[in-house]
Amino acid sequence: GNSVTQMEGPVTLSEEAFLTINCTYTATGYPSLFWYVQYPGEGLQLLLKATKADDKGSNKGFEATYRKETTSFHLEKGSVQVSDSAVYFCAQGRGGNKLTFGTGTQLKVEL
Amino acid sequence: NAGVTQTPKFRILKIGQSMTLQCTQDMNHNYMYWYRQDPGMGLKLIYYSVGAGITDKGEVPNGYNVSRSTTEDFPLRLELAAPSQTSVYFCASSDDRDDYGYTFGSGTRLTVV
Repeated sequence: GNSVTQMEGPVTLSEEAFLTINCTYTATGYPSLFWYVQYPGEGLQLLLKATKADDKGSNKGFEATYRKETTSFHLEKGSVQVSDSAVYFCAQGRGGNKLTFGTGTQLKVEL
Repeated sequence: NAGVTQTPKFRILKIGQSMTLQCTQDMNHNYMYWYRQDPGMGLKLIYYSVGAGITDKGEVPNGYNVSRSTTEDFPLRLELAAPSQTSVYFCASSDDRDDYGYTFGSGTRLTVV
């Protein structure tokens, strides 16, 4: 069946460090891929998305590239800020079908 | 442009009490979902609906019921609340576009004591 695997957290970084959060998926066909962010006490918000192979989603300095060969969609940011501290969820799905979510990765950014 | 609205934001229930968590969306989405999120955990799907009058069980439906009489509303009913239902509940909606994903509500934090 469909699944999403994310790296375990928490990930703790110093401000201005480089961020990578790994995400791999298994699916039949070619799903759309998403990253959601959840700030403390809030719901999930869509951060970025990609709908086909080699697409790059980007938003607020975050990027992720849809890699069909490695079935991956790793989240990256060149220089994190304290305000990026949140839980990040990778997800896959398409066309109104139920999204499959990863378990989430907590990011803590310290001064 | 309200999106997905959940009420209440917080609630404390006693064991055995019942309540309804409300969810309304104003985007004319056919698909709606209820998730629960336990501390430090990911999302678990409780129930979902692909349109008015149609509902189906998700991963953890026991102890819950839903109805979908209109496109806009998807209430979640808890019968005979138990401490294991202490959680944060999120409602979400989507349409059938491949690139849409979900729009989430802000959540209801429920404590059963």
